[in-house]
Parts: sequence; C-alpha cells; structure tokens
Amino acid sequence: DSGVTQTPKHLITATGQRVTLRCSPRSGDLSVYWYQQSLDQGLQFLIQYYNGEERAKGNILERFSAQQFPDLHSELNLSSLELGDSALYFCASSVGGEKNEQFFGPGTRLTVL
Amino acid sequence: AQKVTQAQTEISVVEKEDVTLDCVYETRDTTYYLFWYKQPPSGELVFLIRRNSFDEQNEISGRYSWNFQKSTSSFNFTITASQVVDSAVYFCALSEYTGNQFYFGTGTSLTVIP
Repeated sequence: DSGVTQTPKHLITATGQRVTLRCSPRSGDLSVYWYQQSLDQGLQFLIQYYNGEERAKGNILERFSAQQFPDLHSELNLSSLELGDSALYFCASSVGGEKNEQFFGPGTRLTVL
Repeated sequence: AQKVTQAQTEISVVEKEDVTLDCVYETRDTTYYLFWYKQPPSGELVFLIRRNSFDEQNEISGRYSWNFQKSTSSFNFTITASQVVDSAVYFCALSEYTGNQFYFGTGTSLTVIP
C-alpha cells in the first residue's frame, strides 16, 4: 500500500458527461501528479501540483482540469467525455522538489460508453 | 525534447534466467533523474529506483541491478535469477531535476515462465 488513495476505483459513464476523480496524497507529500494510462498511448503525464499551485503541465486536454486543495487532496475533472477518454487514471504523490520519488495510487478505471 | 524509449515491448524468459530491460533517454538537461517502476498484474505502479544524473554508480538491490551510462544515455535494468513474481510491466521514466515533468517510456512487459 503506497499510502495514496484514489476514489472511485471504477467509473462508468456516457459520452458527453463530466466526472471528477479524487486523490489523497501520502501524509507529508506536497506534490500530486495525474497520469492517464491507455492501451494505445501508454502512461501519459497530465499535470502536477505542488502545495496548491500548478507546477507542470503535460498532455492534458482542454476538456480536463485539475486542482489541489488546501488539505492537499487533488481532483481531476474530465468533461465532455469521449470514448477515447476511457483509461486508467493514476494519481501519484511525492514530497516535492528534489525528493521526487513518486508513489502511485491504485488508479481509477474510467469507462466511457 | 525529453523522451524515454523502451524498445523491448515484450520479453519472455524461463524462471531463473537473467533478463535485462533496456531504457534509452533523451534530454537537453544536464541534471535530471531517472526512475524504474514496476506495474504487476494488479495494476498499481511500484517505485523501484531513482538515480540522479550526477551518480553513474551502478546499483544492486537483491536480484535487481541497474546500469546507468550517461555516455550512451541508457539506464538498463537487470533481474538476476528471474522469478514468476517478476512478471509485470516495467516502466523507465525521466524527470527534470526540479521534480516537475515526468516522461515515461512505453513499458516492457516481462513474462517469467515457470
């Protein structure tokens, strides 16, 4: 158990809908990262937050957004969902800065029908 | 541009054989970090090792060893005397020294046959 929690574990929804994925980092970790893992595109870095502020952006679509709250948990919002958004979404956390070993949560499997 | 290449998509070995997983990276940075992660069938990603670009010393941890060669931009991972529990997808990753931005390879799926 990495100490990172993600909810829900599974999510099934329809095209055009909006969903929110939640992540709680390990105690003491200030950085949160979001990744998308799909069969055809591998593990794609989406976005990183450090202590509430956005630090780095990867291949995140404009339909997706994220934020990190004062209690350090983070939410990834996916809107106008398309079939191609079906994937495993991972959250990872690290202490931050140079201490950037990432510890991953169990992931949320999103299925868009 | 930053990039991580794991040319081996799938590898199968018989139990007790040694196996090396290749990782080649590209970066313009002079300081950076390299990582290996394991993703077993259960799906969770497990951190294995982090190496910074200053340290080219090879590392051994039990049956696992890592060979970092800056001259060839490679960070290869060897499992000695493989076991069935080693069956997983292994990812190599590169990050900026600041801890921001991570780049993952496409992974190597290792199957250890009993």
